[in-house]
Amino acid sequence: AQRVTQPEKLLSVFKGAPVELKCNYSYSGSPELFWYVQYSRQRLQLLLRHISRESIKGFTADLNKGETSFHLKKPFAQEEDSAMYYCALRTGGFKTIFGAGTRLFVKA
Amino acid sequence: DGGITQSPKYLFRKEGQNVTLSCEQNLNHDAMYWYRQDPGQGLRLIYYSQIVNDFQKGDIAEGYSVSREKKESFPLTVTSAQKNPTAFYLCASSMALSSGNTIYFGEGSWLTVV
Repeated sequence: AQRVTQPEKLLSVFKGAPVELKCNYSYSGSPELFWYVQYSRQRLQLLLRHISRESIKGFTADLNKGETSFHLKKPFAQEEDSAMYYCALRTGGFKTIFGAGTRLFVKA
Repeated sequence: DGGITQSPKYLFRKEGQNVTLSCEQNLNHDAMYWYRQDPGQGLRLIYYSQIVNDFQKGDIAEGYSVSREKKESFPLTVTSAQKNPTAFYLCASSMALSSGNTIYFGEGSWLTVV
């Protein structure tokens, strides 16, 4: 079965602390993984995708096929990082499924 | 302002009535999607369409129907068969790329069935 699991519903960290949002997936084929973010009063938007191997707003994510994970990391959290984060898996064709989301709260 | 437009933003309907949510995009995207967002469950895929006149069921298609007669439009009908229709509905679209396609989302529609 195709599934995306984000085990933490809420993650609260202090400003300047490292942050890691966990994402595990289940898919027998070759996965494409994405992180989407929703800031307050804004639309859901792409943060980064694994094929680009990019760092966006200080965030990085590495696809680990052995552990079927795609955790999102940032070494020093900022208050403006507070948002809802969704991990997404694109399977065959254009089907894209999302995890339940993790709300990140960065405290001052 | 280009992008994806969903209407209406808020909709109230009586139980047993069908209701249609509109989704229009001017991004010239081939693929379009409908997701349902419930608290604690994230986004769940209802239907998606890769091309005009073609669409596939997602994970929770029961009680919903769609059409894709035009590239820019992908309306969703919530039928009376949907047992728990009260939810937030998100429409989205993407280019038809073999990989790395970014999904762009609308602002969403709140449906309340009373």
